[in-house]
This record gives sequence, C-alpha cells and structure tokens, in this order.
Amino acid sequence: SQTIHQWPATLVQPVGSPLSLECTVEGTSNPNLYWYRQAAGRGLQLLFYSVGIGQISSEVPQNLSASRPQDRQFILSSKKLLLSDSGFYLCAWNHGASGYTFGSGTRLTVV
Amino acid sequence: QKEVEQNSGPLSVPEGAIASLNCTYSDRGSQSFFWYRQYSGKSPELIMSIYSNGDKEDGRFTAQLNKASQYVSLLIRDSQPSDSATYLCAALNSGGSNYKLTFGKGTLLTVNP
Repeated sequence: SQTIHQWPATLVQPVGSPLSLECTVEGTSNPNLYWYRQAAGRGLQLLFYSVGIGQISSEVPQNLSASRPQDRQFILSSKKLLLSDSGFYLCAWNHGASGYTFGSGTRLTVV
Repeated sequence: QKEVEQNSGPLSVPEGAIASLNCTYSDRGSQSFFWYRQYSGKSPELIMSIYSNGDKEDGRFTAQLNKASQYVSLLIRDSQPSDSATYLCAALNSGGSNYKLTFGKGTLLTVNP
C-alpha cells in the first residue's frame, strides 16, 4: 500500500533562518506531488505542485521554493524565513483524478 | 479564479442528529468533488468522493452533487461526538497530467453528547 511520510512534525525557527521540509511517498511511482500551507483560521493554500522529477509549478509567488530530486521525494525550502511563513505545511500525492492523500504535516512557527 | 465556498459555521448538532454540510463551486469545468475531515492539529483525511450527479452513500455519510446548481453537500446521519471536526469540501480540475484540488475554508462541526 501507498504511504506518505513528512518530517519534521513540528519546527520552531527564527526569522531569517533557512528551511527544509521533506516529503517522501512509498508504494507508488510517478505520483503527482503537492505542497499546501494552512495558516491559522485560513483554508488550504496550494504552494507548489510537481508532475515529475525536476518539474515544479508555483502557484503563489513568495519566499519559498520547491524541488523534486527523485520520483518520490518532494522538498520545500526557504533561504530566509519570514514571520508570515508560519503555518501548517502539508504534502500530498495523487494519481489521476483521485483525491489527494496527505502526509501528517509540519507545524512551523517562525519566531 | 476557481473558488469553493462552504457555509461558514460553526455547526453544532446533538448526538444522533443529521449534520448537513454545504458547498458551492465556481468553475463549471470541475470534474470531481471530495469531502475531507480534519481533526484539530491533524492533516485532512479523505472521507467521500463524488463524480456524478446524485447521491452517493457510504455508511453514515451521504454525498450529494448537483452540477447544474454547482452544489455539493455532505450529510452525516446519526452524528457521533467523534464526528466533531472541520470538514473541507474540494473540487478537482485537470490540466494535462496534473490534477489540482481547490479547497473551501472548511466548516467546523461540533456534535454534542
């Protein structure tokens, strides 16, 4: 069966520090991969999606970037965090027209 | 801009009652629709999907879709305190090999014992 792993679960980082969040999927190949952010009291905002290795599409211009170095690995990064980057970051995958399966999420607090 | 709107809530129902959650979407090209349940501090969990007009039942959950009205709903029968969560409605649109979900902001449901 397919599983999605996301880490770390929680993270507290100072303003201006770098960020790297990792997501991996097991039990499937060539998944579509997504990064979402959920800020307090707000809905899910799509940040990036990828349909294959090295293919990244950005939905919202901001202080973040994404990479997909391997088929089942998706990384979210920032060179310098802002206070506004705080939130609940979720990785998800799907195949075709099925719904997404989400990872367990990373709660990021920028202080 | 594709949008999914949900009744803002919060919604409070007594245990054993029917909870009704509603959702509208703006893009007539949306192909499939999903309901997710999100417990506080946890990630969303897929509970229902619906692709065709009409009703789809799964246990205590019934999803309803009306594409002409661009309306999706979720009914939860015999509501239990464990159903207390935020429910997210999502609409799927495809573009080439990519399938993107647009989510509503969610409706917080509280089931009172």
